[in-house]
Amino acid sequence: NAGVTQTPKFQVLKTGQSMTLQCAQDMNHEYMSWYRQDPGMGLRLIHYSVGAGITDQGEVPNGYNVSRSTTEDFPLRLLLAAPSQTSVYFCASSYDVGGEQYFGPGTRLTVT
Amino acid sequence: KNQVEQSPQSLIILEGKNCTLQCNYTVSPFSNLRWYKQDTGRGPVSLTIMTFSENTKSNGRYTATLDADTKQSSLHITASQLSDSASYICVVRFNAGNNRKLIWGLGTSLAVNP
Repeated sequence: NAGVTQTPKFQVLKTGQSMTLQCAQDMNHEYMSWYRQDPGMGLRLIHYSVGAGITDQGEVPNGYNVSRSTTEDFPLRLLLAAPSQTSVYFCASSYDVGGEQYFGPGTRLTVT
Repeated sequence: KNQVEQSPQSLIILEGKNCTLQCNYTVSPFSNLRWYKQDTGRGPVSLTIMTFSENTKSNGRYTATLDADTKQSSLHITASQLSDSASYICVVRFNAGNNRKLIWGLGTSLAVNP
């Protein structure tokens, strides 16, 4: 099993550009989530999904969109990148809400 | 307000020494508490889970304790190794009917020096 995979590993964007961070898991987990991690802020939940076709907002959803068309994939879209979105982004999956989270390797995003 | 606070914020110890990391929470109703280890540049990995009825649980050189009355947990690392250098994050599960979420602490950054 590959677990949770994320691409790309690094990305530099200019302000106003858009992009999609990819996340996939092969553990048949229903619950998937996106976090951002900033120094001194810890992990903050952006969006999450409890199953295919169902998504909901976390604590910092502004500027991000998600969709869940399959159990395996949970892409995160940045619509109009801003310097405040410079961060490390982690995708995670688990059997259920609050279960052990399996994290991907992260995407380090810089917006200039 | 549901919060998880960890101390110390950072810690430096010598290889072979023991250390204890603290996690205090105000989350209610409490469901469980997990400790994660996050190596630099990687995603967190679960070390152990503590439920309401558990006081102590060990995973190799890692021993977690939970006092549900005082809402405190600790993670004790015995005979530290250089590979223990990482951030250790405490996470508490909040469970009130259909409202279930994870409350994350900010982590303790541990450096083990030779």
